[in-house]
Order: sequence, then structure tokens, then C-alpha cells
Amino acid sequence: QQPVQSPQAVILREGEDAVINCSSSKALYSVHWYRQKHGEAPVFLMILLKGGEQKGHEKISASFNEKKQQSSLYLTASQLSYSGTYFCGTEDYNQGGKLIFGQGTELSVKP
Amino acid sequence: EAGVVQSPRYKIIEKKQPVAFWCNPISGHNTLYWYRQNLGQGPELLIRYENEEAVDDSQLPKDRFSAERLKGVDSTLKIQPAELGDSAVYLCASSLVTGADRGGEQYFGPGTRLTVT
Repeated sequence: QQPVQSPQAVILREGEDAVINCSSSKALYSVHWYRQKHGEAPVFLMILLKGGEQKGHEKISASFNEKKQQSSLYLTASQLSYSGTYFCGTEDYNQGGKLIFGQGTELSVKP
Repeated sequence: EAGVVQSPRYKIIEKKQPVAFWCNPISGHNTLYWYRQNLGQGPELLIRYENEEAVDDSQLPKDRFSAERLKGVDSTLKIQPAELGDSAVYLCASSLVTGADRGGEQYFGPGTRLTVT
């Protein structure tokens, strides 16, 4: 089942912060975050694994609440280059290695 | 290091025609994925290969879609015959997955934008 992302869209001024949430109805093994700019391929940002391990981008932080089956991506001091659509992909215990992506959150950073 | 290569980048065909997409993954990556992405949506997995073996093709419409991964490297995805609803971006991704690391980061190619008229 597809994870639910919120908000669907957000507009920021440069320097402002944003939080993007991803919620699943299934027990999760990992959550992946990707950013996609218009007309381009999704780019890997971060993986959060069960047990607290994280791998990814130095300037982006995220959390993974296994009990609540939720993850949040924190974008601080946003830059123009942060604009794009952010997708979370969830991997549950019954389907190892398979990511199910959310519908995306469109982020626009204005000068 | 070269990224995931896909061709063609764009394809316009009439319905009922066949079409094929090609993907060359990052060297050394053992796992290859084909996704379909509709406008305004996240990628949806069609098929996943581990080396030459298709380990998950549950979302592949097998009446018209087929895929193969030659010698565990390049892969092709074919649609025959295409329907109007097949218009989408077809993304290929690859990753290096070891036995203990179920969810390795995936690296995506630029995609093929298919328009069926």
C-alpha cells in the first residue's frame, strides 16, 4: 500500500525551514528519500533503517519512527537548489528490496 | 563513474505499435529495476532483477509487457502492443544489494518519456 506524504506542496523563501512527512500503514524495514527536479531522474538523498542507522546526504536530516511507521525529512535553511518534488519510498518486512513510493511533495523555494 | 544510461530519451508511437526501452546500469550493480512514472505520481515498480533473475514481476502487465536482462547487465523492456494508457516516463534504476543490506540506495537513469497517440 502506498505511503502517504504531507504536505502535498509547500512554498518557502530562501533560508526558511520545511518538514516533509511520510506515513505507512505497514511495519517498515526502511524508508528512502529521493528528490526529483522537473524532467530529471530521482536522486537519492537518504536511507533510514530499522534500528536507527542512516545513510545519506550530509546536509539533510531525517527521522524514522518505527513504532508509528512514519518518517520525516527536515530541510533547514533552504536554498533555491532544494526546489523539486520529494518522494519517500518504503520497504516493508514482507517485500524485502521493494520500494513503494509516495505521491510526492512539491517544494518550491523562492528568492 | 558513469551513471545509469537509458535510451531512447523520448519516443512517440501510435497505439498498437511495439516499443522497446534499453537500460545499462552502473557497473557492478547486481540489482536492476524498471519503474513507470505517471505525471504527478511517484515511480511504480514494474520488475526487479537480481543478476539475471527476475525476483519481482508482480506489477508487470504480462499480456503486453516483457523484459529481459542480458547476462546480468543490460536490460530491455518491451511493450507490444502499446495502448494510450501506457504513456508515461519509464525509469531504470540500479543498486548494489548484498545479503545483509536489503534496501540499497537506488540510482536512477534519466528515463524514457513515452507518448502513445
